[in-house]
Amino acid sequence: SQTIHQWPATLVQPVGSPLSLECTVEGTSNPNLYWYRQAAGRGLQLLFYSVGIGQISSEVPQNLSASRPQDRQFILSSKKLLLSDSGFYLCAWSVARGYGYTFGSGTRLTVV
Amino acid sequence: DQQVKQNSPSLSVQEGRISILNCDYTNSMFDYFLWYKKYPAEGPTFLISISSIKDKNEDGRFTVFLNKSAKHLSLHIVPSQPGDSAVYFCAASVGGGADGLTFGKGTHLIIQP
Repeated sequence: SQTIHQWPATLVQPVGSPLSLECTVEGTSNPNLYWYRQAAGRGLQLLFYSVGIGQISSEVPQNLSASRPQDRQFILSSKKLLLSDSGFYLCAWSVARGYGYTFGSGTRLTVV
Repeated sequence: DQQVKQNSPSLSVQEGRISILNCDYTNSMFDYFLWYKKYPAEGPTFLISISSIKDKNEDGRFTVFLNKSAKHLSLHIVPSQPGDSAVYFCAASVGGGADGLTFGKGTHLIIQP
């Protein structure tokens, strides 16, 4: 069966520090991978998606970047965090055509 | 411009009664719709979906209705149970959503004993 792992669960980082969140999927090959953010009082906003190794699409301009160094690994990064980067970050995967996402357990990021 | 709207931030329903969560969309290209349930500090879990070729889909206590002409969908939960208390997100996509889902802001459902 397929599983998705996301870590860490919580993170408190000072403004200006770097960020690296990791997501891995098991039990499937060539998944579509996604990073979403849920900010306070807002819905789930798509940040990045990837349909293959090294292929990253960004939905919104931002202070973050994403990379997919391996088929089932998706990394969300920042060189210098801003206060506005605080939120709940979710990784998700789907089969190639979509039709159903599975989300990870999320990372609560607080930038102080 | 918010393409998927959930206009009720919260909804309180008595246990055993029907819960009706509403969702409106503006993009007429959307043809696949989903509902997710989310507990605090957890990832959303998939509940039910519906394709635009249907107007109703049922799965146990959960039924989703789609009114394409009104660009409106709703999730019915009958009967409502305490464990249903959570935030419910409506999501929409063009095709299967391989390039991402568009989510509403969510509705916090509170089931009262």
